[in-house]
Amino acid sequence: NAGVMQNPRHLVRRRGQEARLRCSPMKGHSHVYWYRQLPEEGLKFMVYLQKENIIDESGMPKERFSAEFPKEGPSILRIQQVVRGDSAAYFCASSVTSGIGSNSPLHFGNGTRLTVT
Amino acid sequence: KNEVEQSPQNLTAQEGEFITINCSYSVGISALHWLQQHPGGGIVSLFMLSSGKKKHGRLIATINIQEKHSSLHITASHPRDSAVYICAADSGGGADGLTFGKGTHLIIQP
Repeated sequence: NAGVMQNPRHLVRRRGQEARLRCSPMKGHSHVYWYRQLPEEGLKFMVYLQKENIIDESGMPKERFSAEFPKEGPSILRIQQVVRGDSAAYFCASSVTSGIGSNSPLHFGNGTRLTVT
Repeated sequence: KNEVEQSPQNLTAQEGEFITINCSYSVGISALHWLQQHPGGGIVSLFMLSSGKKKHGRLIATINIQEKHSSLHITASHPRDSAVYICAADSGGGADGLTFGKGTHLIIQP
């Protein structure tokens, strides 16, 4: 049973380009969370999605960032017109239910490291 | 908004030493998570606790709800324990309500 799969592991984009980060949750998990880890900073929540729905996007920047989790396929975090400040590690996590606990632990992917040049 | 502070920020120790990493938070929580981030970057959930103490192998996590403080201990430390250890406060809203500390960079030298 594969864990949470994120790709690509590393992504280099020039300023102004678009970045697409993909996350396939663990089999049977329908709750997906995206977090951003800036250099020397802690992880910060960005967005919480269930299949075809955005449940909480309170951590998403208001412009250029969007996320989706379609009925089929992986969750996508999309960053348009990237700037140097978007350089960070982006982590995806998934769980079976909305509440995390011993029966529904949170599983993280290995992250995508975005570098904007 | 919860403030989560970890100490120390960096820790270098010799193999075999007993390691303690501390985490304090400012607002009452429903649970406290400890995570391990490997040098390659992947994150693994170690513990989720809401009271008392939990043990898994050489790792022990404790929490004092009244003092808003948690500790992660590693007994008989080994170089493979070298990683960043992150605590996260869960305010009860689920994984979208987690507030993370900045992490403790642990290096265990052989």
